[in-house]
Amino acid sequence: QVQLVQSGAEVKKPGASVIVSCTGSGYMFSAYYIHWVRQAPGQGLEWMGLIDPIDGSATYAQNFQGRVSMTTDMSTNTVYMELSSLTFEDTAVFYCARGEGGIYYGRFDRWGPGTLVAVSS
Amino acid sequence: EIVMTQSPATLSVSPGERATLSCRASQSVSTKLAWYQQKPGQPPRLLIYAASTRATGVPARFSGSGSGTEFTLTLSSLQSEDVAVYYCQEYNKWPSITFGQGTRLEIK
Repeated sequence: QVQLVQSGAEVKKPGASVIVSCTGSGYMFSAYYIHWVRQAPGQGLEWMGLIDPIDGSATYAQNFQGRVSMTTDMSTNTVYMELSSLTFEDTAVFYCARGEGGIYYGRFDRWGPGTLVAVSS
Repeated sequence: EIVMTQSPATLSVSPGERATLSCRASQSVSTKLAWYQQKPGQPPRLLIYAASTRATGVPARFSGSGSGTEFTLTLSSLQSEDVAVYYCQEYNKWPSITFGQGTRLEIK
């Protein structure tokens, strides 16, 4: 069955960086973009950007430009999201989700379980 | 930048009654709109895409409508398992994505 598996929870200090991974299985990994979505505690969903696993080309939301980097390893069907210069406001659950290209590019039909990143001094 | 505004923030509905959730876009998004359901401790679940197409496995009591700037998600007969936060999401201009702030649906 289609699955997105994410890496485990992290605790980081302010100013540090965090890397979260997302591994796909049960489908053709190269056929879907991977998007990242942030959700702060008790808050809504915030789109961070997407990556094309085929060539590693990524587009980032303006709010995260300069602080986020997404990469891909097609040999393991894994996408990585690195967020740098962490602040307390980055404490959140980070989700990966798959999406098609084309007119339904926003149709996120599978999501990972989420990775909690806590920023604490 | 498109802003998505959902109303109400919280909706209380009796079991078996109809629930109507609204989503407004600050500019036209055609029918490039999806709805997601999120229960506590879970990732979001896709319910509706293209404004009115139910995703695979979504019960028929969920329906979506609208185009342009005004959209509605309707639950025809509320069940206890429908208690969740519902988010609308626009995807009108590649590759940008914007979510609404969510509507919390409660049982009265």
